[in-house]
Amino acid sequence: QVQLQQWGAGLLKPSETLSLTCAVSGGSISRDYWSWIRQSPEKGLEWIGEISHRGTTHYNPSLKSRVVLSIDSSKSQFFLNLTSMSAADTAIYYCAKVSGRTVTRRLDSWGQGTLVTVSS
Amino acid sequence: DIQLTQSPSFLSASVGDRVTMTCRASQDIDNYLAWYQQEAGKAPKLLIYAASTLQSGVPSRFSGSGTGTDFTLTISNLQPEDFATYYCQQLNTYPPFTFGPGTKVEIK
Repeated sequence: QVQLQQWGAGLLKPSETLSLTCAVSGGSISRDYWSWIRQSPEKGLEWIGEISHRGTTHYNPSLKSRVVLSIDSSKSQFFLNLTSMSAADTAIYYCAKVSGRTVTRRLDSWGQGTLVTVSS
Repeated sequence: DIQLTQSPSFLSASVGDRVTMTCRASQDIDNYLAWYQQEAGKAPKLLIYAASTLQSGVPSRFSGSGTGTDFTLTISNLQPEDFATYYCQQLNTYPPFTFGPGTKVEIK
């Protein structure tokens, strides 16, 4: 069973950049896609994007100009960078593993979540 | 973007009840739908994918059905640990893979 452990700064000032890391254990990062999702009371669950083990990315158009996902297979880690943070980006951020292809696609393992607060 | 609506927003039920909640997509998503359960303070947990396939380890009292735009999650014989919020997610068309707003199941 794949386990995801995530970490990163939880308190940011407006205009700063969010950087989160998600470490994969119990399975290989060199397959499937790896995703980031965030959750806030205002927007609910919001899909941020995903990255394949080869580095192919897909982003939410609403965040595309500010988000970069990357992956380091040698460390079994993948990363989220979100620039120009504002109060509207305050949320719990989750990493997740994407399993399956086409109709069987699903998020079947999740990190524990990181509460990120943006405040001056 | 494909929009998902869930109903009801809140559901009050008792242990042992059979409960049903729905998820409606703004356009045809075939069977590209997953259901998640989220307990307070925890990450979502996958219950069902491909609209009706039970995730390994999930109790058989959970079942999903539907295709196209209308989907249903049913919990038969509701247990105390089932009081949580349930979300649907479409994985047909992206970006983005959108989530529904959730149905919260509360104790009557």
